[in-house]
Amino acid sequence: EIVLTQSPATLSLSPGERATLSCRASQSVSSYLAWYQQKPGQAPRLLIYDTFNRAPGIPARFSGSGSGTDFTLTISNLEPEDFAVYYCQQCTNWPPYMYSFGQGTKLEIK
Amino acid sequence: QVQLVESGGGLVKPGGSLRLSCAASGFTFSDYYMTWIRQAPGKGLEWVSYMSGSARTIYYAESVKGRFTISRDNTKNSLFLQMNSLTAEDTAVYYCARDGRGWDKYYFDYWGQGTLVTVSS
Repeated sequence: EIVLTQSPATLSLSPGERATLSCRASQSVSSYLAWYQQKPGQAPRLLIYDTFNRAPGIPARFSGSGSGTDFTLTISNLEPEDFAVYYCQQCTNWPPYMYSFGQGTKLEIK
Repeated sequence: QVQLVESGGGLVKPGGSLRLSCAASGFTFSDYYMTWIRQAPGKGLEWVSYMSGSARTIYYAESVKGRFTISRDNTKNSLFLQMNSLTAEDTAVYYCARDGRGWDKYYFDYWGQGTLVTVSS
């Protein structure tokens, strides 16, 4: 099983700043790395798929990067609505193609 | 537009059973894998199970294997999760999500609003 470790657990920033969220895998993963945003009481929403592709309707201030075991979600020029919990997710590229999620990073207003 | 609506959650005693449903609309249901994902109160996301559009491919997380059964009815655009031998550790919001793996897309692009399952005596 591939374990995803997200850091930091909590990130305190102000609107207008840049957020950098990390997701590290216990072993090299394919490019099948996605990021989700979850606000209180809501279902997660897909932000980024295949490491760097933005999902439809996601603003350009969200960007993804990385390869191998280290991946990053960057949110430039934070807007008030961006403060939420963010999860990374991967799928192994060998049978049985299992999914796993990171434990989440809470982005809070400083 | 794509919609996923879960139902069937509630309070159940330890050792009991519950069947969750997910009604899908806005896309060709039989073309897609579907997945159940859960989230314990205040915790992160945990993948539970997926099923292919044809129902021929099924996998479960180790934590639920042998106790949970995923199924679907493509004539009714519905996904199900039969949960048996429930324990307190199964208490969570259960989400159904559209799984793109049949299209070489290994992520979940649409999610339902979730249904809460509480296991308590």
